Amino acid sequence: GAGVSQSPSNKVTEKGKDVELRCDPISGHTALYWYRQSLGQGLEFLIYFQGNSAPDKSGLPSDRFSAERTGGSVSTLTIQRTQQEDSAVYLCASGGEGLNSPLHFGNGTRLTVT
Amino acid sequence: AQSVAQPEDQVNVAEGNPLTVKCTYSVSGNPYLFWYVQYPNRGLQFLLKYITGDNLVKGSYGFEAEFNKSQTSFHLKKPSALVSDSALYFCAVRDKSPGQNFVFGPGTRLSVLP
Repeated sequence: GAGVSQSPSNKVTEKGKDVELRCDPISGHTALYWYRQSLGQGLEFLIYFQGNSAPDKSGLPSDRFSAERTGGSVSTLTIQRTQQEDSAVYLCASGGEGLNSPLHFGNGTRLTVT
Repeated sequence: AQSVAQPEDQVNVAEGNPLTVKCTYSVSGNPYLFWYVQYPNRGLQFLLKYITGDNLVKGSYGFEAEFNKSQTSFHLKKPSALVSDSALYFCAVRDKSPGQNFVFGPGTRLSVLP
């Protein structure tokens, strides 16, 4: 079946511009996560949606970052007034409702801020 | 608080030799434990998980992991390494208590030398 889909796969933007990154999770998955990964490094948690509960935004690095999840499905991560330090790969993952359900990751969006 | 340690940034092993990638964790309760693999320019891919029961868990591509409660470890193993196993490996933990998030380790880069 279809996996987690992220678009665009690559995004180059100028410093100061806003960007939107999209994630289409696996159908029926109630959990959705956004992570940031610098080149070949570990994962930095950004935000977590679980069903209709209020999202866990504790990982968002600044108020320039926001995310929403519409209809419990598609999610958009928005970065306003991008900075060069925002350059990274942004990974989306979705998972089933059970706590032991593994996460399924998309291939990420590589963001380059020039 | 939950935490995951992968004490080795890099593991080198000759093709055909057994491999071990180490992971230790800290949780307040009982954990669910996961291993993921990341190939270049791809998202993370689920390998295996420990929920309960048998301490030896078998997963994809011939990998297995052993849960050791007394040592709070969940090392990933494979009896005979392949060059194609070269990738970045992440251990993750999730406390069984409701509301707990996934916590990922920093990753270990495995290089299998021909």
